[in-house]
Amino acid sequence: EVQLVESGGGLVQPGGSLRLSCAASGFTFSSYEMNWVRQAPGKGLEWVSYISSSGSTIYYADSVKGRFTISRDNAKNSLYLQMNSLRAEDTAVYYCAREGPYSGYVQLGYWGQGTLVTVSS
Amino acid sequence: EIVLTQSPGTLSLSPGERATLSCRASQSVSSSYLAWYQQKPGQAPRLLIYGASSRATGIPDRFSGSGSGTDFTLTISRLEPEDFAVYYCQQYGSSPLPMYTFGQGTKLEIK
Repeated sequence: EVQLVESGGGLVQPGGSLRLSCAASGFTFSSYEMNWVRQAPGKGLEWVSYISSSGSTIYYADSVKGRFTISRDNAKNSLYLQMNSLRAEDTAVYYCAREGPYSGYVQLGYWGQGTLVTVSS
Repeated sequence: EIVLTQSPGTLSLSPGERATLSCRASQSVSSSYLAWYQQKPGQAPRLLIYGASSRATGIPDRFSGSGSGTDFTLTISRLEPEDFAVYYCQQYGSSPLPMYTFGQGTKLEIK
């Protein structure tokens, strides 16, 4: 069974930093592309960042470019999101999401339960 | 950047009724890259439909997706109590850079 478990959320002051982690199990982590998607309280879903299976290709939403860094450790089956220069508008539940499972299509078939990041003084 | 607009924002229906949810793209979208998700309060989104019209594993056949180009539809043929939730369409585009885009969601509520 595919499992994605996020951790690392919490309360941080504006301008601060936080590192989110996503522990993956139940599949060959090194074979799959991964994403971070966030959801502000009471709002819709917003894609944040993508990383290829090897980690060689990375993309960011404009809203976080230059402030957030996605990375992965395939030996540890883990995905990360380093968040710097945090703003109030970054307050959200952050989900890690795995691409697949349907080849030839693009979809986010597996999601973690999310971790809440609150940026406030 | 492609923008997805979902309508209506809120849909009030009764169990047993048919629900029709719309997702309109600002530019043509590949059907292979169009998906629908269901999200219930306090839960992560769940994949319902991929490739615009294919049901994900375990999704009841009362859910169906259709459409192409800029207009896509999610239909729930006979609403069950557990279907009342928020639904999002999503597309993947590569211009100017690869990224996912979500619609703003349609809330399906019990009338």
